Amino acid sequence: DGGITQSPKYLFRKEGQNVTLSCEQNLNHDAMYWYRQDPGQGLRLIYYSQIVNDFQKGDIAEGYSVSREKKESFPLTVTSAQKNPTAFYLCASSKVTNTEAFFGQGTRLTVV
Amino acid sequence: DAKTTQPPSMDCAEGRAANLPCNHSTISGNEYVYWYRQIHSQGPQYIIHGLKNNETNEMASLIITEDRKSSTLILPHATLRDTAVYYCIVRPLGSNFGNEKLTFGTGTRLTIIP
Repeated sequence: DGGITQSPKYLFRKEGQNVTLSCEQNLNHDAMYWYRQDPGQGLRLIYYSQIVNDFQKGDIAEGYSVSREKKESFPLTVTSAQKNPTAFYLCASSKVTNTEAFFGQGTRLTVV
Repeated sequence: DAKTTQPPSMDCAEGRAANLPCNHSTISGNEYVYWYRQIHSQGPQYIIHGLKNNETNEMASLIITEDRKSSTLILPHATLRDTAVYYCIVRPLGSNFGNEKLTFGTGTRLTIIP
């Protein structure tokens, strides 16, 4: 079945460690996005990519990094520079010219 | 800044129609109204979108006022599984979903009462 997959669903890391969240899609979508969601809040855009080997910062890119080496994959690295990394992270994809986006089921990251 | 305003919470009895309002008074002529919902601890799910005509699909109906400054999402026969946070957003025609740095706001938390 076509879809967008995030893994793992839950992730625990020690403070000061980098951690990479996986996002894979087989929808043949050109655009992919990462959002962060804190309790009781809406979604905030971290990074997005419209094409392979290219990506742009969103509203809260500091402390995060991404890569887009393949169309299907858009991993997000939460670095030690992110001051408050504990959150729910959502990945989405869409056709560049189509405004409907599809979301993964999210990764809940807890840093202790 | 969010371009839409929604009530923070609503209740609806199971089996009744749930009507969720959204104000988008600054909407531009080329912007669509989109609705998503997010069930607890899951990714948002697309529901419906429209420009100026009313729209209906298997999930819901969307009623957009003639001046396009507000809209209502209607879930015709609400079930317990419809309990979720509902987000109303506006997006330009043909835009890249992330290109305009779209924010979802806090949405409306809809609770279906048995």
